[in-house]
Amino acid sequence: KQEVTQIPAALSVPEGENLVLNCSFTDSAIYNLQWFRQDPGKGLTSLLLIQSSQREQTSGRLNASLDKSSGRSTLYIAASQPGDSATYLCAGVSGNTPLVFGKGTRLSVIA
Amino acid sequence: EPEVTQTPSHQVTQMGQEVILRCVPISNHLYFYWYRQILGQKVEFLVSFYNNEISEKSEIFDDQFSVERPDGSNFTLKIRSTKLEDSAMYFCASRTGISYNSPLHFGNGTRLTVT
Repeated sequence: KQEVTQIPAALSVPEGENLVLNCSFTDSAIYNLQWFRQDPGKGLTSLLLIQSSQREQTSGRLNASLDKSSGRSTLYIAASQPGDSATYLCAGVSGNTPLVFGKGTRLSVIA
Repeated sequence: EPEVTQTPSHQVTQMGQEVILRCVPISNHLYFYWYRQILGQKVEFLVSFYNNEISEKSEIFDDQFSVERPDGSNFTLKIRSTKLEDSAMYFCASRTGISYNSPLHFGNGTRLTVT
């Protein structure tokens, strides 16, 4: 059964800093891993999806990597801005299981 | 950009009452899902729906829950007799393809409060 863990639970950084959010998963037979952003009281916005055959995906200031052998994914945010403040969730699909979520990392970017 | 739409945004109901949460998935999507998030907890899978039938469900999705696609656009989640512990944010999601390699798109959720 796939388990997804995100550490740290919360992170606070000054504006302009580059940062990395971590996600680990237990089942290396993962089909894909998706990163989401969640603003307080809101829905989930899909940021990036990395397929099992890929090692990374980029969108603007975001870069997500996937290392199946180590069971890890990272989300790199370059030149962070206060508008990046949100909770970031990773979720993986493996076998016949639907998307399994981590608990998220709550990011605060301080101006 | 097309999006998943959920109504209402907030529903308050008394314990034991029936509620129906409504969703309009993205129009060309074929797979539909309900997830929920209890305050402070992980987003949890409830049920998936394809070709007018349930394809998978979690142990949370017991006999009190049902889903329906009554027409070509709506996808509903019904809770027959709500309990206090059903209070959560309920998210509808859809994807386009058969492959899990198509991204899942979520709605903004319905916050259900059971009193």
